[in-house]
Amino acid sequence: AAGVIQSPRHLIKEKRETATLKCYPIPRHDTVYWYQQGPGQDPQFLISFYEKMQSDKGSIPDRFSAQQFSDYHSELNMSSLELGDSALYFCASSLGLAAFANTGELFFGEGSRLTVL
Amino acid sequence: QKEVEQNSGPLSVPEGAIASLNCTYSDRGSQSFFWYRQYSGKSPELIMFIYSNGDKEDGRFTAQLNKASQYVSLLIRDSQPSDSATYLCAVFRDSSYKLIFGSGTRLLVRP
Repeated sequence: AAGVIQSPRHLIKEKRETATLKCYPIPRHDTVYWYQQGPGQDPQFLISFYEKMQSDKGSIPDRFSAQQFSDYHSELNMSSLELGDSALYFCASSLGLAAFANTGELFFGEGSRLTVL
Repeated sequence: QKEVEQNSGPLSVPEGAIASLNCTYSDRGSQSFFWYRQYSGKSPELIMFIYSNGDKEDGRFTAQLNKASQYVSLLIRDSQPSDSATYLCAVFRDSSYKLIFGSGTRLLVRP
């Protein structure tokens, strides 16, 4: 079965550069969540989208922006990268904003590992 | 105080034993509770999901939820070395439609 696809899987950038991460949700899923997980940390919620509209915003720096496109894929854009941005970035998808609360059907991608040098 | 609290561990158990992982949460409005297993550098993998008080069993795994005490636990029977991982407790708040994660408990199953 198709899963959540994230690209690139690994990315190395210099400080002050820009990076873009992409997330392709499971077919028919209309909701995407972005999480950031630093080394030894728990996943921190960044932002979510439902039907191409931002539905919630967490601890996402102003240097970051994201959007969901008409085909439901999402992109996380990170500018003026800092060393502290080095982390695993996970995308998860679900069908509907809250449906997974009753079904448990929230699926994570394999993650994109960003290293800022 | 974090919204979802877990003992960071490591919790070390011998192979074949029962591993008991605990999680408390602060928001009484929390609706659903998730246990994810995460191997180092990998994505979280859903192990159990529960939203009603009581026990829910799936194979070697049992989730227990007590909303009055704001407590959810995960029992792993017949622990295997392959169960060695970090177990993340996550809580869904319908007020914000997102999962809030605990810091995770590292489980080590000794052969």
